[in-house]
Amino acid sequence: GENVEQHPSTLSVQEGDSAVIKCTYSDSASNYFPWYKQELGKGPQLIIDIRSNVGEKKDQRIAVTLNKTAKHFSLHITETQPEDSAVYFCAASKGGRRALTFGSGTRLQVQP
Amino acid sequence: DAMVIQNPRYQVTQFGKPVTLSCSQTLNHNVMYWYQQKSSQAPKLLFHYYDKDFNNEADTPDNFQSRRPNTSFCFLDIRSPGLGDAAMYLCATSRAAPSGGSVQFFGPGTRLTVL
Repeated sequence: GENVEQHPSTLSVQEGDSAVIKCTYSDSASNYFPWYKQELGKGPQLIIDIRSNVGEKKDQRIAVTLNKTAKHFSLHITETQPEDSAVYFCAASKGGRRALTFGSGTRLQVQP
Repeated sequence: DAMVIQNPRYQVTQFGKPVTLSCSQTLNHNVMYWYQQKSSQAPKLLFHYYDKDFNNEADTPDNFQSRRPNTSFCFLDIRSPGLGDAAMYLCATSRAAPSGGSVQFFGPGTRLTVL
């Protein structure tokens, strides 16, 4: 089955700095890669996703890049703010109704 | 707003006492998922419904059951909760696409405590 590895497990940055979280996946058939933000006591919220037919997607301060050859994808957050502090999960899916395989999560702390 | 609703948000039960968690959605999605999430871990899929078709993960204990009486509702039944079943239970929905990944929307979760 699919295996998704995520690094780092914790990340602390100063407000205004950039943050990068990286994930690798094992199954070359995976074609959908979402990123979720989970705040304490809440369910995961989708913040951005990318499909295998594109290499990069951007939405305001967040962007995701995908390297299909190397089987890795990354989340980039620019101009970080304290409200960006949360746990971020990457995930991979082979599509259709198949469930997501999650990475182990990254706890991001943005220091004011 | 279209959304995924979970009730209750917090549930306390006693060891061995059956408990039912509920999920409803206004998104009219055909797929509904139940995940278990323990502290500081990623969500782990228990099972999912594709329309009325139930799909159990191979490592989901028999203690966990699910019902989907209609498109909008899905229930998670834990027949005899053990201390190890204390966790956050997340419901998610998606509209399965023929090809390509389907966006999953999560509910706020139900935090289960087993005494």
